[in-house]
Amino acid sequence: DTGVSQDPRHKITKRGQNVTFRCDPISEHNRLYWYRQTLGQGPEFLTYFQNEAQLEKSRLLSDRFSAERPKGSFSTLEIQRTEQGDSAMYLCASSSGLSDNEQFFGPGTRLTVL
Amino acid sequence: AQTVTQSQPEMSVQEAETVTLSCTYDTSESDYYLFWYKQPPSRQMILVIRQEAYKQQNATENRFSVNFQKAAKSFSLKISDSQLGDAAMYFCAYDSNYQLIWGAGTKLIIKP
Repeated sequence: DTGVSQDPRHKITKRGQNVTFRCDPISEHNRLYWYRQTLGQGPEFLTYFQNEAQLEKSRLLSDRFSAERPKGSFSTLEIQRTEQGDSAMYLCASSSGLSDNEQFFGPGTRLTVL
Repeated sequence: AQTVTQSQPEMSVQEAETVTLSCTYDTSESDYYLFWYKQPPSRQMILVIRQEAYKQQNATENRFSVNFQKAAKSFSLKISDSQLGDAAMYFCAYDSNYQLIWGAGTKLIIKP
């Protein structure tokens, strides 16, 4: 299966620690997205890459959050000095850039900040 | 700013019956895409059906169909012959410059 993969699937950390998540998109997809989903809610857009360029960032993405996509392949999302409010599911999606923009999602990384 | 509203937090339906999930949205754009995604418990989000706004014909995918009312900004999902495997959270989403704007979701319960 060559779908979107995310690592780790679960992460428990203490408040104030830094965490990094990885997303591997479908290989031929040039667009990559990060979303955050809290319990009982729909996902919220965080950021979007086309190839290696980060084209959009939500205001939700505070300066403690940073995302990269070196060489336009996998992407990492880092959260520095984690807070309890950062506890959520972090979803990654990719798309081919065709006009219908169907996004394919990974299984998510569930972050728990104690 | 675009918004998406799903007014039904939870719906239940008897197996083999038909159920309709509601979604309304707000936008000033004339051409856009709308999607319904399904998120089964502890599993990843998958696309159920998409609709392009300039197409008047309602999209259909097997047992899933939409009722797209552009003027009313309404985009409901009809599931016919409901099956146990349809139990999931269903999210309506609007495509805004390649980021998706999501509703809060509707939890669909299938009664055997």
